[in-house]
Order: sequence, then C-alpha cells, then structure tokens
Amino acid sequence: EPEVTQTPSHQVTQMGQEVILRCVPISNHLYFYWYRQILGQKVEFLVSFYNNEISEKSEIFDDQFSVERPDGSNFTLKIRSTKLEDSAMYFCASRSANTEAFFGQGTRLTVV
Amino acid sequence: AQSVTQLGSHVSVSEGALVLLRCNYSSSVPPYLFWYVQYPNQGLQLLLKYTSAATLVKGINGFEAEFKKSETSFHLTKPSAHMSDAAEYFCAVSPSGGYNKLIFGAGTRLAVHP
Repeated sequence: EPEVTQTPSHQVTQMGQEVILRCVPISNHLYFYWYRQILGQKVEFLVSFYNNEISEKSEIFDDQFSVERPDGSNFTLKIRSTKLEDSAMYFCASRSANTEAFFGQGTRLTVV
Repeated sequence: AQSVTQLGSHVSVSEGALVLLRCNYSSSVPPYLFWYVQYPNQGLQLLLKYTSAATLVKGINGFEAEFKKSETSFHLTKPSAHMSDAAEYFCAVSPSGGYNKLIFGAGTRLAVHP
C-alpha cells in the first residue's frame, strides 16, 4: 500500500541551526501539507502546497520556514534558524484531488 | 472561526465495553469531518470520514461515527473495546469543506484495561 515517508524519524539540532525535514509523498498525489504537534498539544496546520507554490499558510509559518519540492518526488520543510519552541513532531501529508490526506509517521525535532 | 472540541482528554474503558469519544465542531460551511488514530510512535491513520453523504459513517476496526448537524457533533463509537484500540484519537474538520487543510481537536487518549 502506498505511504507517505518521512526522514529522519528523529532529528536533534542546536538552537540557531538550519534543519531540513524530508518527505516523500504518495506518487500520484498533487496536494502536500506540513503539520506540527508540540508535545502535549494539538496537531496544527503549517502550510499547504499545490502546483509548485504555497496555497495557504498559517501564522506559525513565518519567514523562518520554507517549503520546496526540489525534484518532483521529495517535499521538504526547512527551518532556517531553529528555536527551542520549534521542538515538535512534524507531520507531512499528501492527497490527490478527491481523497483525504494521508500522513507520514512524523519527524520528531528536538532543538537543544 | 472553525474549531473542533474533543471532550475528555483521557478516556478509560474495560475490554468489551462501549467506546464513546466525543467531538463537537463549528463550521461556517457544510463540513467534512474526520477521525484519525495515532498509535504510539506512529503517524496519523484515517479511521473514517464524513463527506456530506450518509450521516452514519463506518470506518476501520469496527468504529463508526454519526454526523448530527443539529448538535454539531461527530462522536466516535465502537460497541466493544479491544486492547489494541488503546491509542490517541483526533477529530478534525476541513474548515472550507472538501479535502483541504484540517483543523484538529486536542485529541483523546483511549486506555483499555482488562
């Protein structure tokens, strides 16, 4: 069964460092998302991406964040200068035109 | 603004007992509603969805949910809990209708004891 794959499963980084979280969406999907879940809190929408551009972003998704689909298969989330409060589980999701979103297993980001 | 409220952050049931996880939503458009389950150290898996067709929706693993517009509710039920149902359950709404971004509830952690 096709699935969304995220790497790494766990990333530890020092405050101020750049981090890139990687996702391989399901191959025929066209809509891509990043969500995050701070420990003990709800899952929050960050950004949606369609047709090679951001279609919507939340207030959380400030200038420190960026997304890219560099090669037609990967979908990445970059945080330029990580802060302690960026520590969270980050979920990638993808969907086709008329289906629900399928989520990856998440990347746990720990900023120290 | 659209939102989802899940009553009870923790629910504990005995094996074989009824499972009832509550979800209320607010939406300015006819909503699409979803229940996702998260097992420990795993991602979010879709249990079931409501997309404006039948109000009683059946999902995987014996779960079902009923959309009640008058009560703005979409509660999740299972007649008989199994130990393997222990997980965190998230209700979500698509605020613009359709399959767009999701607004999640805070989640309910279900414990099943022998």
